[in-house]
Amino acid sequence: DAKTTQPPSMDCAEGRAANLPCNHSTISGNEYVYWYRQIHSQGPQYIIHGLKNNETNEMASLIITEDRKSSTLILPHATLRDTAVYYCIVRAPGGGGFKTIFGAGTRLFVKA
Amino acid sequence: DVKVTQSSRYLVKRTGEKVFLECVQDMDHENMFWYRQDPGLGLRLIYFSYDVKMKEKGDIPEGYSVSREKKERFSLILESASTNQTSMYLCASSPITGRLIGNTEAFFGQGTRLTVV
Repeated sequence: DAKTTQPPSMDCAEGRAANLPCNHSTISGNEYVYWYRQIHSQGPQYIIHGLKNNETNEMASLIITEDRKSSTLILPHATLRDTAVYYCIVRAPGGGGFKTIFGAGTRLFVKA
Repeated sequence: DVKVTQSSRYLVKRTGEKVFLECVQDMDHENMFWYRQDPGLGLRLIYFSYDVKMKEKGDIPEGYSVSREKKERFSLILESASTNQTSMYLCASSPITGRLIGNTEAFFGQGTRLTVV
């Protein structure tokens, strides 16, 4: 699975959009981009995933560049409860299972 | 909702003890995983299993073993606990991923914070 690069930390004002970038320049054609987040003292929580097209759900939007070498997770109206570590990972299908590689992630601080 | 349940939130064990961490999932998932999480290192995969009695080593299997006797249960075993195994341990499960299917997510338990003294 390809590796990802994320900034270690970011700040965001409450009510504003939080834009979290991720570089995955070695991504291959069949790898999906996933985002998870981990709130303090809890297990990681799935947010969204995509392959080529931009995706939106009730939690967030995912924007993937045309060359798929980077993506941005957008929390449209950040709240204090969105303070967490956000992980961008890329995953390929296949084999008898999969390995999900989590890096250090981005620690997002949402401030009042 | 998918539930992945880890038997303990906090454990304190002595060096040299044999430690069992239990994980149960209730969604009939084929794949189960054990990770440890340490500050600055993210999540690192210890072992995973894609079927009953099947297991594969992850990135850091040394000092650990696993057992999957039933589909819903995946146990992590520290044969002789050491202080460098003090960490947060996370269990996860996911449905099977076929060769052409990549869009399945993993569901995580709440974690077990293990301290070895």
